[in-house]
Amino acid sequence: NAGVTQTPKFQVLKTGQSMTLQCAQDMNHNSMYWYRQDPGMGLRLIYYSASEGTTDKGEVPNGYNVSRLNKREFSLRLESAAPSQTSVYFCASRSPPVEVRGYTFGSGTRLTVV
Amino acid sequence: TQLLEQSPQFLSIQEGENLTVYCNSSSVFSSLQWYRQEPGEGPVLLVTVVTGGEVKKLKRLTFQFGDARKDSSLHITAAQTGDTGLYLCAGSLGRMLTFGGGTRLMVKP
Repeated sequence: NAGVTQTPKFQVLKTGQSMTLQCAQDMNHNSMYWYRQDPGMGLRLIYYSASEGTTDKGEVPNGYNVSRLNKREFSLRLESAAPSQTSVYFCASRSPPVEVRGYTFGSGTRLTVV
Repeated sequence: TQLLEQSPQFLSIQEGENLTVYCNSSSVFSSLQWYRQEPGEGPVLLVTVVTGGEVKKLKRLTFQFGDARKDSSLHITAAQTGDTGLYLCAGSLGRMLTFGGGTRLMVKP
């Protein structure tokens, strides 16, 4: 099925460890996004990539880095995980016009930092 | 402080009741979207409203965009247990989509 695939689905890290969250879409979308979701906070944008080769900071970029490897893949890296980064992470992609199609989300990565 | 404020945060009702969820902001959006999210899954788009004053219906769900394009509402008529979930509004600002905090709806049989 076409869509957005995220791996892993669950992860537990110790404080200070690093990891990369993977995201791939097979819909030929130009724009890709990383959000985090915390209780009562909705989804907050971490980074986004409007097209292959470009990345921009969102609302909460501190502690994260991203790589737009190619048109399909957009990864999120935590260099030194902190307990405040415990959250559910969602990758999304879209193709214009956003007013018609909206965003397509993956099923999320639940990350716990202890 | 969030750009989009949703109310109520939680809502528990009996099957068959009507309900309204509100999404308010001081900012003007080019469009506003409503998503529904099930546990363990990502949000799924329900509807997009673009024009001020626009009303869209999706079966028992009615969505309205405020005249000034700063607020929106979602009304569900005769709620069913299958409507249970997290409802999120999201406003378009340029290339970015900003989300409200969500309304968690539980419909009891």
